[in-house]
Amino acid sequence: EVQLLESGGGLVRPGGSLRLSCVASGFTFSTYRMHWLRQTPGKGLESVAGISADGGDDFYAGSVRGRFTISRDNSKNTLYLQMGSLTTDDMAIYYCAREDNFGTSDYWGQGTLVTVSS
Amino acid sequence: DVVLTQSPLSLPVTLGQSASISCRSSQSLVYSDGNTYLNWFQQRPGQAPRRLIYKVSKRDSGVPDRFSGSGSGTDFTLMISRVEAEDVGVYYCMQGTYWPWTFGQGTKVENK
Repeated sequence: EVQLLESGGGLVRPGGSLRLSCVASGFTFSTYRMHWLRQTPGKGLESVAGISADGGDDFYAGSVRGRFTISRDNSKNTLYLQMGSLTTDDMAIYYCAREDNFGTSDYWGQGTLVTVSS
Repeated sequence: DVVLTQSPLSLPVTLGQSASISCRSSQSLVYSDGNTYLNWFQQRPGQAPRRLIYKVSKRDSGVPDRFSGSGSGTDFTLMISRVEAEDVGVYYCMQGTYWPWTFGQGTKVENK
């Protein structure tokens, strides 16, 4: 059974940093592109970042480029999102998701909540 | 970024009746490989989104056949025939043809 378990969310001050993790199981992690997406009541669902199966290529939404870094450790079946210069616009539930062979996300984790507040 | 516009945003339905959700894209979603990467997701309260339909009309494993997708180019539809109580939730269209992936605003399906 495919499982994605996010962690690392919490309360952070504006301008602060946070690192999210997503541990994958139930599939060969090293053969799949992976993504981070987020959801807010105001903006809805948004893509944040994606990374190739071997970690050699990464891509970002314009709103986070230069502030967030996606990475992965295939030996640990773990996906990361390093977030910096956080603002209240980054407050959201962050999901990790697997990209399947049909170019979209077929499995999502349950999400981790990031709150940005002073 | 590609803008997806869903309608209606709220859809009260009588159980056992059909429901239809429209999704229009600001540009064609046909990719250079000839495929159209338009997908539909269901989100029940307190849960993560779950994909129902990929590439316009293909149902994911375990999705009841009362869910069907159709459309082409820029206009797409999700149809739910014989709505059941477990179908209550928010439905999103999503395009994977262009980066960044983008989503519609969501349509809330509720019991009338």
